[in-house]
Amino acid sequence: AQSVTQPDIHITVSEGASLELRCNYSYGATPYLFWYVQSPGQGLQLLLKYFSGDTLVQGIKGFEAEFKRSQSSFNLRKPSVHWSDAAEYFCAVVEGGGATNKLIFGTGTLLAVQP
Amino acid sequence: DAGITQSPRYKITETGRQVTLMCHQTWSHSYMFWYRQDLGHGLRLIYYSAAADITDKGEVPDGYVVSRSKTENFPLTLESATRSQTSVYFCASSVAGGPFNEQFFGPGTRLTVL
Repeated sequence: AQSVTQPDIHITVSEGASLELRCNYSYGATPYLFWYVQSPGQGLQLLLKYFSGDTLVQGIKGFEAEFKRSQSSFNLRKPSVHWSDAAEYFCAVVEGGGATNKLIFGTGTLLAVQP
Repeated sequence: DAGITQSPRYKITETGRQVTLMCHQTWSHSYMFWYRQDLGHGLRLIYYSAAADITDKGEVPDGYVVSRSKTENFPLTLESATRSQTSVYFCASSVAGGPFNEQFFGPGTRLTVL
């Protein structure tokens, strides 16, 4: 069965520091991958997505993610974190490799930003 | 203006009571989804609907009932609430199926079952 693993439950970074959130997926073929952000008390917002092609994808709010097939990873990065980036981040994969758009989510990484 | 809305935003109920969570979208999206969010589990799909009168089970459907008589509404009913159904519930919609269609999420309903 497909799965998504986010190994870091909680991460704290200083404002202005770089950020990398890890995501590993389990799927035999090329997956359809997403990163969502959930601000406190809000619903989820799509940051970026990967379907095929260029393995480095750019998203909103200055985020990017790199798809690495050899490592089954889709890590989210940001070169300089802002206090407003404090939120929970979810990695997700489309179930079944694209036949539907049912999403399988990781357990999330809660990001805290220190001033 | 709304987009996708959920009501109520907060609900406290007692074990054994019936509870209905409402979801309404103004985009005429074909697909709608219900997820629950629990610590340590992320979001898990309860039910989804591809169109009016078409619904299907997700990963955790037990104890829940859905209906979709109108495209814009997708209510989720807990027929006899249990404490294990205490959770945050999110509704989402997408214009169509397939991986290229982004899901848009509502603000969530926090349900507490005492």
